[in-house]
Amino acid sequence: AQKITQTQPGMFVQEKEAVTLDCTYDTSDQSYGLFWYKQPSSGEMIFLIYQGSYDEQNATEGRYSLNFQKARKSANLVISASQLGDSAMYFCASDAGGTSYGKLTFGQGTILTVHP
Amino acid sequence: NAGVTQTPKFQVLKTGQSMTLQCAQDMNHEYMSWYRQDPGMGLRLIHYSVGAGITDQGEVPNGYNVSRSTTEDFPLRLLSAAPSQTSVYFCASSQGGVNTEAFFGQGTRLTVV
Repeated sequence: AQKITQTQPGMFVQEKEAVTLDCTYDTSDQSYGLFWYKQPSSGEMIFLIYQGSYDEQNATEGRYSLNFQKARKSANLVISASQLGDSAMYFCASDAGGTSYGKLTFGQGTILTVHP
Repeated sequence: NAGVTQTPKFQVLKTGQSMTLQCAQDMNHEYMSWYRQDPGMGLRLIHYSVGAGITDQGEVPNGYNVSRSTTEDFPLRLLSAAPSQTSVYFCASSQGGVNTEAFFGQGTRLTVV
């Protein structure tokens, strides 16, 4: 079984500054994937970034990067140059490989508010 | 491409009624899932399918049934609705394999009174 912990219920950041959203995971699987999703107030789930357990490089997608520290079991999301449109709920999630692809375990989420 | 389509978007049920939440995807994905999202909590897995004819239970399966007769469709049935099933329901699909994201439908907001 997998467990995802997001310890920051809410975060605030000034526009144009960087922010880090924390995520720790607990799994006994050797192969797993880590995901970040954004949920704006409209409710849809938007995929942001993925990190595989065997990837040695930290994943990056535009302004999003994933700070993956395997030994510490952490997968923090870094958003650079925050924009007002980044205000949303952010979820960290994981799945295991093999027949568990897409079988996601989610954290409780972090609400990010970007101030002008 | 429509992606993942859920219907209805909103539904109000009376306690004890049954209904089916529809989910269809047009991406030929093998993996499909149903999640529920309650206030203050992340999404929790209800049921899961790795292909037509194959389903498995997730974390919170009680009170829900699924079947998967085609690759495209994965309906979720509420057998006898209870107020505790008031939630937002999401269907998702993925093609499986390394570095493949799950694509989510728009969600169904269900209220059981």
